[in-house]
Amino acid sequence: DIQMTQSPSTLSASVGDRVSITCRASQSISSWLAWYQQKPGKAPKLLIYQASSLESGVPSRFTGSGSGTEFTLTISSLQPDDFATYYCQQYNSRSPKVTFGGGTKVEIK
Amino acid sequence: QVQLVQSGSELKEPGASVKVSCRASGYTFTTYSMSWVRQAPGQGLEWMGWINTNTGNPTYVQGFTGRFVFSLDTSVSTAYLQISSLKAEDTALYYCARGRGACSSTGCYFDYWGQGALVTVSS
Repeated sequence: DIQMTQSPSTLSASVGDRVSITCRASQSISSWLAWYQQKPGKAPKLLIYQASSLESGVPSRFTGSGSGTEFTLTISSLQPDDFATYYCQQYNSRSPKVTFGGGTKVEIK
Repeated sequence: QVQLVQSGSELKEPGASVKVSCRASGYTFTTYSMSWVRQAPGQGLEWMGWINTNTGNPTYVQGFTGRFVFSLDTSVSTAYLQISSLKAEDTALYYCARGRGACSSTGCYFDYWGQGALVTVSS
C-alpha cells in the first residue's frame, strides 16, 4: 500500500510569510497528487490536482510542485484566510487507489 | 452550481443502523463517481471507497467491508451510505465527494464535497 507522510504536522506562521508543506509518498506516484484545504467545521476544498494544476477559483498564491515521491505545497504570502489544515492525497492505478496524508495544521504565530 | 447536500446529524445506539444521504445537483449525476470519506473526531481523512453512478457498482476499501454499503437512487440524484451494527468507533463525520478522474483505473480526486454528516454512536 502507498503511504503518504506530511511534514510538518503543525506549522506556525505570520500573515505575509511564505510557507511550504511537504508530502512524501512511500513509492512513486508520478504526478498523481492533490492538495486540499480544510477549515474547522467545513468540508475539504480542492486546491491543486496533478501535483501542480491550480483548481479554478483558487488564488494564485497557492502553488504545487514535485513528482515521483516528494511534493510541496507553497503559499507565497500567507493570508488570514489561509489558516487551516492542509491534506495531500495520492491517486493512482494501484490499490488502494486513494490515500490521504495525515494533514498539516497552519496556525497563527 | 454543483452542490452535494447531505442529511443531518444522527445519534444512534451501538448495534443500530444508520443511512446517510447525499443529494447532488447542478450536474449530470451519472457522469461522475461518488466517494465516501470518513473523518473521526480530531483526525484526518480516510477514503472508504466509491460507487460507480452509472452501474451502481460499489468498491470498498479494506476496513470498510461487511458493515458498510454504498447505494444510489439515480432518479433523485442521491447516493447513500448505510452502516449496520454500529460501534462507538464509527463515531465520525462522513463526507460524500464527487470524483474527478477514473476511480476504477487511475484513481480519482475530489472536486466537490458534501457538508458532512455527523454520526454519533453512544448508549
